Amino acid sequence: DGGITQSPKYLFRKEGQNVTLSCEQNLNHDAMYWYRQDPGQGLRLIYYSQIVNDFQKGDIAEGYSVSREKKESFPLTVTSAQKNPTAFYLCASNRGLGGRLDTEAFFGQGTRLTVV
Amino acid sequence: SQQGEEDPQALSIQEGENATMNCSYKTSINNLQWYRQNSGRGLVHLILIRSNEREKHSGRLRVTLDTSKKSSSLLITASRAADTASYFCATDLVGGSQGNLIFGKGTKLSVKP
Repeated sequence: DGGITQSPKYLFRKEGQNVTLSCEQNLNHDAMYWYRQDPGQGLRLIYYSQIVNDFQKGDIAEGYSVSREKKESFPLTVTSAQKNPTAFYLCASNRGLGGRLDTEAFFGQGTRLTVV
Repeated sequence: SQQGEEDPQALSIQEGENATMNCSYKTSINNLQWYRQNSGRGLVHLILIRSNEREKHSGRLRVTLDTSKKSSSLLITASRAADTASYFCATDLVGGSQGNLIFGKGTKLSVKP
């Protein structure tokens, strides 16, 4: 089945540790996104990528890093510089620039990151 | 940057009643989309309405768009307990990086059986 897969579902990070969240899609979408969601809040954009080997900062990129070496994959690293990383992280994809006016996004099931 | 703002923040109704949620935005859009999120899960796309459309239907969902007022509404008719979820509007901005969606904070809908 086509879709977007995030792993792991739950992740625990110790203070000062870097962790990487995985996001894979087999929808042949050009664009991929990472969002952060805090309780009772909307989604805030961390990073996005419209094409392989290119990515852009979103509204809250500090303390995060990404790579886009393959069309299917867009991993997010939460670095030790991110002072408040406990949140629900959502990865999404859509056709991006190729979607013209139809930019429906498909989401993974999320990764809940907790600092211990 | 917060573009879409949903109203109300929370809504509680009885099964069978209609639920109406509103979304206001600030700048010109290519399209506006509504998503649903069950607790602890990812978002699921419900419906997309383009800036040149005024109304769209999908099953029990009805979406309207008023670009002069920069607002949209989502109506769920004959609600069911399974409709309990958070609903978000998202806007694709004119002049924005195409495909980037700006999400509101959502309306939490509770449908009591």
